[in-house]
Amino acid sequence: EIVLTQSPGTLSLSPGERATLSCRASQSVSSSYLAWYQQKPGQAPRLLIYGASSRATGIPDRFSGSGSGTDFTLTISRLEPEDFAVYYCQQYGSSGAPFGGGTKVEIK
Amino acid sequence: QVQLVQSGSELKKPGASVKVSCKASGYTFTSYAMNWVRQAPGQGLEWMGWINTNTGNPTYAQGFTGRFVFSLDTSVSTAYLQISSLKAEDTAVYYCARDVHAFDIWGQGTMVTVSS
Repeated sequence: EIVLTQSPGTLSLSPGERATLSCRASQSVSSSYLAWYQQKPGQAPRLLIYGASSRATGIPDRFSGSGSGTDFTLTISRLEPEDFAVYYCQQYGSSGAPFGGGTKVEIK
Repeated sequence: QVQLVQSGSELKKPGASVKVSCKASGYTFTSYAMNWVRQAPGQGLEWMGWINTNTGNPTYAQGFTGRFVFSLDTSVSTAYLQISSLKAEDTAVYYCARDVHAFDIWGQGTMVTVSS
């Protein structure tokens, strides 16, 4: 079973700054099956990125995903006030769909 | 529009059962798999498994076998999660999520509280 480890646990940044979130897999993941989600308090998660680098419908282009193998990154180029939230990575596909533990992006 | 609407919050006693529904609209229900995800209070997301909406065949993640059952009623485009022999540690929000490019559409979540 693949285990996804996200770092850091918490990221303290100011609006306008760049956020870089990491997701490391315990074994190689097909890039076609790596996703990122955003979750705000009291809300369901929202799909941001699928296939490691494809933005979901309606997602602003300040969100980008990259990586391959065991190391993946979500980058938010310039943080907007509405971007402060928890972010999860996920491997999905025929072998299951585990989530990482999450990274909280908080206002500094 | 495409949406998943889940049933309302539940308060149950230990040992009881609960059945959560997830009604799909705006798309062909049997075209995409349905997943279930648990989120305990203050914790992260935990994938519980999925059900093939064509065949009704469920697949359960580790830790979600035995007391958890996924089912369907395709005539009303609805997926169900039933949990039996409820324990305090089952207290969580349960989400259904459509599986297209990853989990692209989510239900609003159903809070299940287990307390005596």
